Amino acid sequence: SQTIHQWPATLVQPVGSPLSLECTVEGTSNPNLYWYRQAAGRGLQLLFYSVGIGQISSEVPQNLSASRPQDRQFILSSKKLLLSDSGFYLCAWTQGNYGYTFGSGTRLTVV
Amino acid sequence: GQSLEQPSEVTAVEGAIVQINCTYQTSGFYGLSWYQQHDGGAPTFLSYNALDGLEETGRFSSFLSRSDSYGYLLLQELQMKDSASYFCAVRDSGGGADGLTFGKGTHLIIQP
Repeated sequence: SQTIHQWPATLVQPVGSPLSLECTVEGTSNPNLYWYRQAAGRGLQLLFYSVGIGQISSEVPQNLSASRPQDRQFILSSKKLLLSDSGFYLCAWTQGNYGYTFGSGTRLTVV
Repeated sequence: GQSLEQPSEVTAVEGAIVQINCTYQTSGFYGLSWYQQHDGGAPTFLSYNALDGLEETGRFSSFLSRSDSYGYLLLQELQMKDSASYFCAVRDSGGGADGLTFGKGTHLIIQP
């Protein structure tokens, strides 16, 4: 069966520090991968998506970046965090069957 | 661009039926999805409608009217564990690689 792993679960980082969040998928190949962010009490905002290794598309301009070094690995990064980067970050995958499977999320607090 | 409207909060009684509405504006519409999210948790997929009509999955049903750009999620025999936020999401040609645009969510409160 397919599973999706995301870590860490919580993270507190100072302003200006770097960020690296990792997401891996098991039990499938060539999935579409997504990074979403959810602000407190709000909906989900699509940040990046990837249809294959090295293929990244950005939906929203920001100081975040994403990379896909392997088929089932998706990384969200920042060189210098801002206070406004705080939120709940969710990785998701799909193989075009209309249902997204989300990871358990990372709650990031920038202080 | 895409936009979705859904009520911010709905209150219902345990054992009752509740309907959560969603209206959308988008181009190249492909389908409407519903997700459930408990506090502190990740969203989980509930249903998907690509065609007009009602889709039933156990206690949950979802309806779509493409001509009205409208859909709803119907929850029957409400249980306390159904207390959660419910998001509608559209899959459209602007989303890229099946990318979804989500509404802001409806917080469902179940009272005993």
